[in-house]
Amino acid sequence: DTAVSQTPKYLVTQMGNDKSIKCEQNLGHDTMYWYKQDSKKFLKIMFSYNNKELIINETVPNRFSPKSPDKAHLNLHINSLELGDSAVYFCASTQSGVEQYFGPGTRLTVT
Amino acid sequence: GQNIDQPTEMTATEGAIVQINCTYQTSGFNGLFWYQQHAGEAPTFLSYNVLDGLEEKGRFSSFLSRSKGYSYLLLKELQMKDSASYLCAVRDGDYKLSFGAGTTVTVRA
Repeated sequence: DTAVSQTPKYLVTQMGNDKSIKCEQNLGHDTMYWYKQDSKKFLKIMFSYNNKELIINETVPNRFSPKSPDKAHLNLHINSLELGDSAVYFCASTQSGVEQYFGPGTRLTVT
Repeated sequence: GQNIDQPTEMTATEGAIVQINCTYQTSGFNGLFWYQQHAGEAPTFLSYNVLDGLEEKGRFSSFLSRSKGYSYLLLKELQMKDSASYLCAVRDGDYKLSFGAGTTVTVRA
């Protein structure tokens, strides 16, 4: 009965690889997000989708590509991984833009 | 652009009160949020202010002054489990949240 789930929880990979992170919410929310939290714990928005439409696209390298197959899912694909991509990536969802519910996070380590 | 400032760290004793201040200068304002984040976990929602004044929810209260670009989160009767990072966030428009860097609160026995 998890509200917002992410897979995988941990991801260790080498520079140059391509990887994907998946997110699913069972709350019936219409808006989903990807955030990046770096080693200094600063939480920064990357993308947001509302009803499968991209509504927020911050200054993020185009190696990062989000995809929302339906309202309940938002995936993040990262090409040509770099050391600086190492961080915790959080998915979140909301209905009507008030309280956001966060997933447990995916800790990405690029070696 | 967004500029959200809060202290980096605070320490307090169990049973005491701690006030975490947040000042903001943002291009738009549609509400101020406080989130709690324990180490290694996801942020969880604590409070939301869109109008000036104090919102109280149990041991936690949040205050907003829009004219001053200022908010605070008040934690009363501190417990050890309150040791966490507290994130101030401003909503710009309908959906976008911009977060401050967070305040790490350490509660000592």
